[in-house]
Amino acid sequence: GQQVMQIPQYQHVQEGEDFTTYCNSSTTLSNIQWYKQRPGGHPVFLIQLVKSGEVKKQKRLTFQFGEAKKNSSLHITATQTTDVGTYFCASTETSGSRLTFGEGTQLTVNP
Amino acid sequence: AAGVIQSPRHLIKEKRETATLKCYPIPRHDTVYWYQQGPGQDPQFLISFYEKMQSDKGSIPDRFSAQQFSDYHSELNMSSLELGDSALYFCASSSSGGVRFFGPGTRLTVL
Repeated sequence: GQQVMQIPQYQHVQEGEDFTTYCNSSTTLSNIQWYKQRPGGHPVFLIQLVKSGEVKKQKRLTFQFGEAKKNSSLHITATQTTDVGTYFCASTETSGSRLTFGEGTQLTVNP
Repeated sequence: AAGVIQSPRHLIKEKRETATLKCYPIPRHDTVYWYQQGPGQDPQFLISFYEKMQSDKGSIPDRFSAQQFSDYHSELNMSSLELGDSALYFCASSSSGGVRFFGPGTRLTVL
């Protein structure tokens, strides 16, 4: 099955600093999804990217899907304490098939 | 809006005991997924059901079994529990293989 590698594993930032997490795959991905899991919570869907080179924005969050559809990134501008949590990328081989997660990046934000 | 419901939220069992986790998907969702998440780990896919039929099987131990009932709720049965089974168990549901909506999870502790 496909594997998605995610870096960094941990990121500590001061409030107001930017944050980026990266996902890489050795194979072409049909799609990439991003989830956020707050401490003690459950994964919450943020966005799905399916097109080569696709860029989507949600307020301070910018999501990119690489041209070769083998990598993706999530960038948060001017982090806030509410951004704390673990951000996972995930992908499915086909629609409806199992969702495979990256290892996640745990973000802490110091006020 | 209705979300995925899981019960119980917390469960404490002794080694070699059995446990049954329940999941009630979002109404009109046709697919249910079960995930296991260890501390500091990403969610690992266990099994899924589409329209009450098993659709995919991941790293689910033979000691575990699951099914989906006519009302679409699903149960994960775990027997001969081991210490290593202590984890968060998430159920997720989707419609036609779309976005997965995760439930709040069941925290299983095996003593």
